Amino acid sequence: EDKVVQSPLSLVVHEGDTVTLNCSYEVTNFRSLLWYKQEKKAPTFLFMLTSSGIEKKSGRLSSILDKKELFSILNITATQTGDSAVYLCAVDLLYNQGGKLIFGQGTELSVKP
Amino acid sequence: KAGVTQTPRYLIKTRGQQVTLSCSPISGHRSVSWYQQTPGQGLQFLFEYFSETQRNKGNFPGRFSGRQFSNSRSEMNVSTLELGDSALYLCASSLFGQGRQETQYFGPGTRLLVL
Repeated sequence: EDKVVQSPLSLVVHEGDTVTLNCSYEVTNFRSLLWYKQEKKAPTFLFMLTSSGIEKKSGRLSSILDKKELFSILNITATQTGDSAVYLCAVDLLYNQGGKLIFGQGTELSVKP
Repeated sequence: KAGVTQTPRYLIKTRGQQVTLSCSPISGHRSVSWYQQTPGQGLQFLFEYFSETQRNKGNFPGRFSGRQFSNSRSEMNVSTLELGDSALYLCASSLFGQGRQETQYFGPGTRLLVL
């Protein structure tokens, strides 16, 4: 059965800290891995990763994929209170000529002032 | 460009009723996927529509159905509602569908409460 596991499930840090969120997966027909941020509303897209070892970066956020060890990490440096959210990892599977996203449980990040 | 829109945003129904949710994708996007989000199960894939055809389906009972119109707008229907159907229902759109390594953009969701 395809599955995506995120850790930790929740995390509390203080502003300025650096955090690393983990996502591991066991799936067939992998196409890509995506990270989303959800703040009490729709998930907003952060990164899409398709190749191993290539870091994607956007401001204080960065992410990398390891297709051999089947995991990805999302790093957030110099955290701010606005980073408080649930971070979702999803794997896009090729399925019946289309696809489907399998989501992890999410990591709830709380950044304290 | 306008984002994905969903209506209604909130809905309260009673057990046994049926409900229809609507999703309008980003202009030009032809693929619409539906997801159910609950505290216990997280985000789970319901189905995907592309060019008015259901291309993929998740592991949900037949009470959950959907359709897509020629303008790519999609509706999702849940019949004989159960308490466990209370959830946030999200739709996401993309240009051609998930198989093409492209990003899915989510709508704000419809929060359904079944009493």
